[in-house]
Amino acid sequence: AQSVAQPEDQVNVAEGNPLTVKCTYSVSGNPYLFWYVQYPNRGLQFLLKYITGDNLVKGSYGFEAEFNKSQTSFHLKKPSALVSDSALYFCAVRRSSGSARQLTFGSGTQLTVLP
Amino acid sequence: EAGVVQSPRYKIIEKKQPVAFWCNPISGHNTLYWYRQNLGQGPELLIRYENEEAVDDSQLPKDRFSAERLKGVDSTLKIQPAELGDSAVYLCASSGDRGRNTEAFFGQGTRLTVV
Repeated sequence: AQSVAQPEDQVNVAEGNPLTVKCTYSVSGNPYLFWYVQYPNRGLQFLLKYITGDNLVKGSYGFEAEFNKSQTSFHLKKPSALVSDSALYFCAVRRSSGSARQLTFGSGTQLTVLP
Repeated sequence: EAGVVQSPRYKIIEKKQPVAFWCNPISGHNTLYWYRQNLGQGPELLIRYENEEAVDDSQLPKDRFSAERLKGVDSTLKIQPAELGDSAVYLCASSGDRGRNTEAFFGQGTRLTVV
């Protein structure tokens, strides 16, 4: 079975400071990894994905994430946080091979950027 | 291009009543997902379709939940009868390229309140 862990329910950071939202995963074989953001009363919006290649992937709104296979991690980062980045962030994983294409989500991390 | 469209956005029903949700995926996307999201938690997969075939419905409570995807396009999710514990946001998502390495696009969800 595949799973995603987001160890922090809440992350607070001051505006202008760098932010990191942590994610670790468990899956058979090579993973496809995704980050989504959810604003209040909205659906999930895609931020970025890792499929293959460069371990550092860049996505929307200045976000990036680093894939670390040995640590089975895919942490989300941004060099300088904005108040408008405050939202709920979800990491997700899918197997890269085999018939199962289930997209499994973590429990989410509430990011609050303080002005 | 229109995104994933869900209706209704909100639904309040009494327990033991039936309810149905509708989803129109992005044109050309053959993979369709229904997720349930409880407050403060990550989305949990209920059912996944490849075209009109339900290929992963192991998490669907089949005694009261049913789903269909006629002609491999629109989909409906039904609950009959609803229970208090069914109160949640029901999210529909779709993806192309058989859903493997492409991201899923989500609708805004239907917030169900069972009273």
